[in-house]
Amino acid sequence: DAGITQSPRHKVTETGTPVTLRCHQTENHRYMYWYRQDPGHGLRLIHYSYGVKDTDKGEVSDGYSVSRSKTEDFLLTLESATSSQTSVYFCAIKPGDTGELFFGEGSRLTVL
Amino acid sequence: GQSLEQPSEVTAVEGAIVQINCTYQTSGFYGLSWYQQHDGGAPTFLSYNALDGLEETGRFSSFLSRSDSYGYLLLQELQMKDSASYFCAVRASGNTPLVFGKGTRLSVIA
Repeated sequence: DAGITQSPRHKVTETGTPVTLRCHQTENHRYMYWYRQDPGHGLRLIHYSYGVKDTDKGEVSDGYSVSRSKTEDFLLTLESATSSQTSVYFCAIKPGDTGELFFGEGSRLTVL
Repeated sequence: GQSLEQPSEVTAVEGAIVQINCTYQTSGFYGLSWYQQHDGGAPTFLSYNALDGLEETGRFSSFLSRSDSYGYLLLQELQMKDSASYFCAVRASGNTPLVFGKGTRLSVIA
């Protein structure tokens, strides 16, 4: 087991409210990722981190920010949620130098 | 940029063999990965090819041709539990994130 957990697992919020999703790992891996998954789009990268305080944007970063103040935690923040951000959000860690990622169980966010 | 193409849906009979193809266009290439995802679940890693050829893991095999920018996932002795979505993903370099295809939904029928 890769030891990665996401919270909350489910959240319903209203347009314009801030939302923070948390990803926690127990494995001390350097790389962490946030993807979103929507029907017909597969998994799209939002932001990723390659170390404490080291982050970079992905394909769909607009409207999202991230922070990594500790190795084990990678936070994804929606400053002002919109209905287009209704999605399932997956956090992932990269344990080695292959194409293998371990994914968290996902956080389902609904923005009304 | 990077793009990946894979069929959106495939249907196969229990006990049969199915092949899911993936073609990619990338500015660089480090390796091709495959993931399985059941409805409501998280993607799980199946295989990784960095070099040309076939990699076998039990009933699943994955093939890569770097010269053709093409790979496939081969599932043998299909079981009902293999009904899931399958994603190919590429990495342009060792430290760049994976880019995923849109996924192929496999339905195994009796």
